[in-house]
Amino acid sequence: DAGVIQSPRHEVTEMGQEVTLRCKPISGHNSLFWYRQTMMRGLELLIYFNNNVPIDDSGMPEDRFSAKMPNASFSTLKIQPSEPRDSAVYFCASSGRGGVGDTQYFGPGTRLTVL
Amino acid sequence: GENVEQHPSTLSVQEGDSAVIKCTYSDSASNYFPWYKQELGKRPQLIIDIRSNVGEKKDQRIAVTLNKTAKHFSLHITETQPEDSAVYFCAASISSYQKVTFGTGTKLQVIP
Repeated sequence: DAGVIQSPRHEVTEMGQEVTLRCKPISGHNSLFWYRQTMMRGLELLIYFNNNVPIDDSGMPEDRFSAKMPNASFSTLKIQPSEPRDSAVYFCASSGRGGVGDTQYFGPGTRLTVL
Repeated sequence: GENVEQHPSTLSVQEGDSAVIKCTYSDSASNYFPWYKQELGKRPQLIIDIRSNVGEKKDQRIAVTLNKTAKHFSLHITETQPEDSAVYFCAASISSYQKVTFGTGTKLQVIP
């Protein structure tokens, strides 16, 4: 099992540019989560999907952020336009068939730096 | 929504001593409580979890206790080793939902 795959691992961009982060969940998992981690705010849930449908996007900071999951094996998180305060590590996680106590498996993260 | 508080934010112990991290949660419907360990520059990884029908669970040097009445749960690490140094996150989740609410993390330093 390859685990959760994220790309790119590092992204450096300039303010105002569009940034797209990608995630491939573990095969067979039906839930996918996007988190943002910073020193100041800790680990924040941005959005999560169940069976490719967005369930809760209340953590998305503002309209500049959007996420899609066109199929069970792929999701994107887009920031447009990016700002320096978006600099963080973005984690994608997936979990299994639902119900109580499904472990979330995290990807390696994408370290985003917006200059 | 659920709110999870975690204490302390930092913890230093001598190698061989025990470490205890405490968390409280707000939603009485929560019934799944995982603990994650995050080493520097790495991803969070599950180390142990407990469900609401269990009061205590052990796995070698790690144990977790749950008090549903008081809505708090704790992580206990015995005989700490330098490789236990990391940030530990507690979390809470409600049955039939996938959303997990994380605590703010505890940075544990084990001094050789």
